[in-house]
Amino acid sequence: EADIYQTPRYLVIGTGKKITLECSQTMGHDKMYWYQQDPGMELHLIHYSYGVNSTEKGDLSSESTVSRIRTEHFPLTLESARPSHTSQYLCASSLELEQFFGPGTRLTVL
Amino acid sequence: AQSVAQPEDQVNVAEGNPLTVKCTYSVSGNPYLFWYVQYPNRGLQFLLKYITGDNLVKGSYGFEAEFNKSQTSFHLKKPSALVSDSALYFCAVRRHTGRRALTFGSGTRLQVQP
Repeated sequence: EADIYQTPRYLVIGTGKKITLECSQTMGHDKMYWYQQDPGMELHLIHYSYGVNSTEKGDLSSESTVSRIRTEHFPLTLESARPSHTSQYLCASSLELEQFFGPGTRLTVL
Repeated sequence: AQSVAQPEDQVNVAEGNPLTVKCTYSVSGNPYLFWYVQYPNRGLQFLLKYITGDNLVKGSYGFEAEFNKSQTSFHLKKPSALVSDSALYFCAVRRHTGRRALTFGSGTRLQVQP
């Protein structure tokens, strides 16, 4: 298995809370990605990064923000969580073509 | 723009029978194509990829996929299904140039019955 980690694995929080989903990889990959996975399965790219201090928005508009201060770390932050943010969030990294995925964080906002 | 279509939400097959999970894509230029599998409460695992060359690509766990440029398809196949193959399968595409992120299909649930 690839060395990419996400914490927490599960999170249940109340509306209005600020949260940060952690993602880290030990493979030295330059490229990292965040996907949001609907309950029904489909994945949507919400953020990506090609390296330190590089971040871009993806295909699906998201109220979340990301930062890339270190190569191995790509956290995602929601300043004020809402029930519409309830979803699974998958982090991935790549060196060339193949993307390696973390186990995901399942977020529930009450 | 690039897109992937997986026309079947679910595929049911009996153990020991061959399986096919369909995927068609749309991309400008030549594609990189991928198949990933997702087991419950897990991230996506890479199965195989097509870059260039031989249209038949072999991957993990006995899976293979055939690239068909004229039909813009990349169907996933396995000659003999196992119950343990039951999972969600995602097809993905990326252009050779430009953005490196993948565009995923909507996923197909494979159910293999004993």
